[in-house]
Amino acid sequence: NAGVTQTPKFRVLKTGQSMTLLCAQDMNHEYMYWYRQDPGMGLRLIHYSVGEGTTAKGEVPDGYNVSRLKKQNFLLGLESAAPSQTSVYFCASSYEAGLQPQHFGDGTRLSIL
Amino acid sequence: SQELEQSPQSLIVQEGKNLTINCTSSKTLYGLYWYKQKYGEGLIFLMMLQKGGEEKSHEKITAKLDEKKQQSSLHITASQPSHAGIYLCGAGPWGAQKLVFGQGTRLTINP
Repeated sequence: NAGVTQTPKFRVLKTGQSMTLLCAQDMNHEYMYWYRQDPGMGLRLIHYSVGEGTTAKGEVPDGYNVSRLKKQNFLLGLESAAPSQTSVYFCASSYEAGLQPQHFGDGTRLSIL
Repeated sequence: SQELEQSPQSLIVQEGKNLTINCTSSKTLYGLYWYKQKYGEGLIFLMMLQKGGEEKSHEKITAKLDEKKQQSSLHITASQPSHAGIYLCGAGPWGAQKLVFGQGTRLTINP
């Protein structure tokens, strides 16, 4: 059971470089989310999607873009990486309706030098 | 917006001891989720509470939601090294959409 898979697991970038984080889920979930986790601040929602072809801003969307071209994939892009974006990024997915828990990937540890 | 405050922020207990972690919300909770995160790994769903006064247990972990639905507690009985990790509470205005998380409680179990 793969669940939610994130790639890559680790990455080091230089300031100004761009990259895309990939999230894939095999549970046929409608909703997908991107969070960042920073020390002492818990998890903060960056962007989320309520279905294929839709995206919406979360709590901290600036500097990030997302796309949901296929139901099972949710991409997070950094167009021009900044040191403030050094963080651990988590992807999650959940069913559409009701009080259903989110299922998380193992995270991507990203360092911006 | 809803805010969740967890206490304590870190906790060190001796193996075999009981412990409690609290999660307090600034607004009424419609659904409260407890997750566990092992160091360097993703979040594992533990339990969800919805109704005031509700209590759920899984193995040696018990979670409760108070009657006013503004505070939840997570209690571990006879702690074991496998319980070590970061415990996070999460809540949202409805369902699993746009969850807000507490800052987490780091639990260390000493042998």
